[in-house]
Amino acid sequence: DAGVIQSPRHEVTEMGQEVTLRCKPISGHDYLFWYRQTMMRGLELLIYFNNNVPIDDSGMPEDRFSAKMPNASFSTLKIQPSEPRDSAVYFCASSSSTLPNTQYFGPGTRLTVL
Amino acid sequence: QQQVKQSPQSLIVQKGGISIINCAYENTAFDYFPWYQQFPGKGPALLIAIRPDVSEKKEGRFTISFNKSAKQFSLHIMDSQPGDSATYFCAAATVYNNNDMRFGAGTRLTVKP
Repeated sequence: DAGVIQSPRHEVTEMGQEVTLRCKPISGHDYLFWYRQTMMRGLELLIYFNNNVPIDDSGMPEDRFSAKMPNASFSTLKIQPSEPRDSAVYFCASSSSTLPNTQYFGPGTRLTVL
Repeated sequence: QQQVKQSPQSLIVQKGGISIINCAYENTAFDYFPWYQQFPGKGPALLIAIRPDVSEKKEGRFTISFNKSAKQFSLHIMDSQPGDSATYFCAAATVYNNNDMRFGAGTRLTVKP
């Protein structure tokens, strides 16, 4: 099993640009999570999906952030326009309803907004 | 808001020593308490977890101690090794919404050889 796959691993962009982060969950998992990790705020849940449907997006910081899951094997997190304070490591994780409390994390995308 | 408070922020232990990381929670509805281990450049990975029906769970050198009345739980790493050097996160979730997991701020553990 390849595990959760995220791309890109590193992204450097300029303020105001659109950023798209991508995630492929583990095959067969029906939950997908997006987290943001910073030194100041630790690991924060941004949004999670169940069977491709967004369930809770209360952690999304503002309207500049959006997430989609068009099918069971792909999700995107988009920031438009990006700001320097969005600089963080973004993790995608997935889990299965048959083992709901075990979330498997991807390697993360380190985003730097200049 | 921090629903799970973790301490210390960083910890240095000699090889062979005991590493202890503490967490406290506020929401009494939490009933699942995992610990995640994160190595540099990697995502967090589930290490060990406990439910409040037991006061202790041990897996190898790793033990979780749970105090329901005090709303506290801790991770003990016995015979700490340099390979244990990582960031450790405690977390909490409820059975009603166990996908909404709240993480502590993390503890950076360094085990010196």
